[in-house]
Amino acid sequence: QKEVEQDPGPLSVPEGAIVSLNCTYSNSAFQYFMWYRQYSRKGPELLMYTYSSGNKEDGRFTAQVDKSSKYISLFIRDSQPSDSATYLCAMSASTGANNLFFGTGTRLTVIP
Amino acid sequence: DAGITQSPRYKITETGRQVTLMCHQTWSHSYMFWYRQDLGHGLRLIYYSAAADITDKGEVPDGYVVSRSKTENFPLTLESATRSQTSVYFCASRPGNSGNTIYFGEGSWLTVV
Repeated sequence: QKEVEQDPGPLSVPEGAIVSLNCTYSNSAFQYFMWYRQYSRKGPELLMYTYSSGNKEDGRFTAQVDKSSKYISLFIRDSQPSDSATYLCAMSASTGANNLFFGTGTRLTVIP
Repeated sequence: DAGITQSPRYKITETGRQVTLMCHQTWSHSYMFWYRQDLGHGLRLIYYSAAADITDKGEVPDGYVVSRSKTENFPLTLESATRSQTSVYFCASRPGNSGNTIYFGEGSWLTVV
């Protein structure tokens, strides 16, 4: 079983839709959670960073962590064509960890 | 602010050849990483370095060699390339030994034929 599971999609939504992206994990020690966005032929870039359980909001993006269910989500409100990318979740058990555990990524297309 | 620069961006090589992927960062970050990204596997750590002359294996180090003589450079060498090493390789860096945010380069697409 992989440490982190992520539905690869692809996911296609119309512009303006609310998008929900999710990851599940098996290691209960994970407490640092990240979402990266990766455009085609580019490197991943950090989108959201959260610690432990709860919600964090940044503009149209909300990251949600439910440690009791070992489940994290990224919500995108009012989705735009520029949001079309692959979204990767990542997590670790400690700060300064030498390895992050990544999901395989969900490919999102927002249709104008 | 150049950040992390990888070269070459695209490379085709033959089985058995030695290939070196270069990584240069301008931030003076102490930590540097090499990941490979494959369909169905996501990003997997090959090697990392905590500082110049300090390197350690990651999840999938077999067939790869790294060195770090200078803080800013972290080359990855495939000593004898195999088809299974066809992948996208990302170099990344992190400022210090706390925090988890790592910053990725643009990637190097390697095809072994």
